[in-house]
Amino acid sequence: DADVTQTPRNRITKTGKRIMLECSQTKGHDRMYWYRQDPGLGLRLIYYSFDVKDINKGEISDGYSVSRQAQAKFSLSLESAIPNQTALYFCATSVGVPGTDTQYFGPGTRLTVL
Amino acid sequence: GEDVEQSLFLSVREGDSSVINCTYTDSSSTYLYWYKQEPGAGLQLLTYIFSNMDMKQDQRLTVLLNKKDKHLSLRIADTQTGDSAIYFCAESTSGTYKYIFGTGTRLKVLA
Repeated sequence: DADVTQTPRNRITKTGKRIMLECSQTKGHDRMYWYRQDPGLGLRLIYYSFDVKDINKGEISDGYSVSRQAQAKFSLSLESAIPNQTALYFCATSVGVPGTDTQYFGPGTRLTVL
Repeated sequence: GEDVEQSLFLSVREGDSSVINCTYTDSSSTYLYWYKQEPGAGLQLLTYIFSNMDMKQDQRLTVLLNKKDKHLSLRIADTQTGDSAIYFCAESTSGTYKYIFGTGTRLKVLA
């Protein structure tokens, strides 16, 4: 079984709808991250969490919110989806000294906002 | 701000060597990484190099780091069709949460 899972894998929604992307991990890692991937732009960090009580904004957090329900679960919400949030979203986990550790990525969620 | 740049595409013939290049701007980078993304999958770590190293070899993979020029490269020897993927360069600084990813290089291996 995969260590980092994301649901749904694909989602099409309409402008203005609220949508939640979920991430679960069985690696036991404290740190979890949400990134979005856009063609030609690489990965950009949306939010990150060092533990259940520590949640921080990344470089592109506007229009997004997150919830760390447990060590193993980190959800990303779009309160009112807009078309420029169409992207591939990745969850990742890591453990160890920040900046020297390996990130383990989920398979991604492809989100389309019409 | 910090930036990591890569060329977008590379095409090679099966059996040839591939060299994927990356430049970065953050002089305080501690670790530099290469990740591979296969179609429909997340990124998977291929290898990494500590900033005080010049070279790291791991089977068919060779990483070269020129810290003066802030240039990182990944050489894949005897490239196979299974190596076709997007390759991301990334850098991080010890003690921080930040991982800066490049735009990714799409490697196409021709049979």
